[in-house]
Amino acid sequence: GAVVSQHPSWVICKSGTSVKIECRSLDFQATTMFWYRQFPKQSLMLMATSNEGSKATYEQGVEKDKFLINHASLTLSTLTVTSAHPEDSSFYICSARFGTSYTGELFFGEGSRLTVL
Amino acid sequence: EDQVTQSPEALRLQEGESSSLNCSYTVSGLRGLFWYRQDPGKGPEFLFTLYSAGEEKEKERLKATLTKKESFLHITAPKPEDSATYLCAVNNQGGKLIFGQGTELSVKP
Repeated sequence: GAVVSQHPSWVICKSGTSVKIECRSLDFQATTMFWYRQFPKQSLMLMATSNEGSKATYEQGVEKDKFLINHASLTLSTLTVTSAHPEDSSFYICSARFGTSYTGELFFGEGSRLTVL
Repeated sequence: EDQVTQSPEALRLQEGESSSLNCSYTVSGLRGLFWYRQDPGKGPEFLFTLYSAGEEKEKERLKATLTKKESFLHITAPKPEDSATYLCAVNNQGGKLIFGQGTELSVKP
C-alpha cells in the first residue's frame, strides 16, 4: 500500500510552547489529507480536512487558531499545536487520500504522541 | 447523522477459533466502507475497501463482506499475531471518513 510518514513520532513540550507535526505522502500525491486525534481506548476523531493550496476545513468544536493546518504541497501537510496545554496531550494521526476521487483509499501515518507538561 | 457502530467492543479468542466482527452503519450516500487494523501506539493499517452490497474481499485469514446496513470481518483460524484493534469506517458523501469505536481482538495461543 501507499506510504504516509509522520514526524515526530513522539514529542514532549512545556505548556505554552508550540509544536509542529509533519505528514508526508512518500510515494503518491495527496490532494486531500486529514488530521485525527485519538484518546486512549477510543476511536479516531476527525479534527480537520486539509486540501492542498486552500484553507483547512475544521470539524465542529475544533479551534482553528489552536490547531493550525497547512497543506502547502501535494505531499506535505503540517499541524501546529499553538500554545499547547496539558489537555492537548494526545495521539495525533494524519491520513492522506490516494487519488482525487472521494472514494480514494485513505492511508495513515504512524501517529505522533504529544505530551504537554 | 452518519454513524458507525462496531460490536463487540472486545473479543477474546483461542488460537484457531474462528469468529466475526460486526460493523453497522447509517450514512447518507456510502462512498466506501473501510476496515483497518491498529496496533497499540501505531496508526491504522489499511485492510479492505468495500463499495457495494454483496461485495467480498479476502486477505490471508481475513474476509470482509458488505450488506446495505452492515459489514462483517470474518477471521478464520486466527493466530496470536492477529491480536489488534480492528476499526471500521465509512466514507460519506462529503468524503469524510467516519470511524466506529473499534473491536479489540485478543488471540491467545
